Amino acid sequence: TQLLEQSPQFLSIQEGENLTVYCNSSSVFSSLQWYRQEPGEGPVLLVTVVTGGEVKKLKRLTFQFGDARKDSSLHITAAQPGDTGLYLCAAPPHGSSNTGKLIFGQGTTLQVKP
Amino acid sequence: GAGVSQSPSNKVTEKGKDVELRCDPISGHTALYWYRQSLGQGLEFLIYFQGNSAPDKSGLPSDRFSAERTGGSVSTLTIQRTQQEDSAVYLCASSFLGQSTQYFGPGTRLTVL
Repeated sequence: TQLLEQSPQFLSIQEGENLTVYCNSSSVFSSLQWYRQEPGEGPVLLVTVVTGGEVKKLKRLTFQFGDARKDSSLHITAAQPGDTGLYLCAAPPHGSSNTGKLIFGQGTTLQVKP
Repeated sequence: GAGVSQSPSNKVTEKGKDVELRCDPISGHTALYWYRQSLGQGLEFLIYFQGNSAPDKSGLPSDRFSAERTGGSVSTLTIQRTQQEDSAVYLCASSFLGQSTQYFGPGTRLTVL
């Protein structure tokens, strides 16, 4: 069974602090995605990483795909209350890369206090 | 509308009743996915449609769960004889076939009393 394990599960920080969320697996994935979900809404795609070692930046968010394509991290610099939400990593399981099917980590709930 | 829509947004039912959840994907999207999400948790894959056929039903928890898609568009997820453990948010997503970006609807929150 291919699993994505996220840590921490819950994070509460003050505005302006930095944080890192991790997504780990024992399996190699062809790509990995990060989503953000707000209460009452569906997840929204933030980024897709494909190449081992790849780093992508989205304003104050930095995403990295591990060299072996087994893990990923999301780093937020100077967190804002608007960053509050559930962050999910997701990846296509082996044999399903052409279908779009995804497996998800259990999520990291981020709360940024003003 | 431009996005994926789901109805109803909330559904409260009694144990043992049947429920139908509806998903309207983005126009032109050939792939459609159903997921289930427990409170504050990640998403659990249920079923995937390519057009009107379902090549992958591996995530359906039991034979009480079924889904169909008609006209390559609207999909309905049916849960028969609902149980309390079926309580969750049911999310639908759609995409162009072969593209990795999935667009999610707001979900249907199902509560089984």
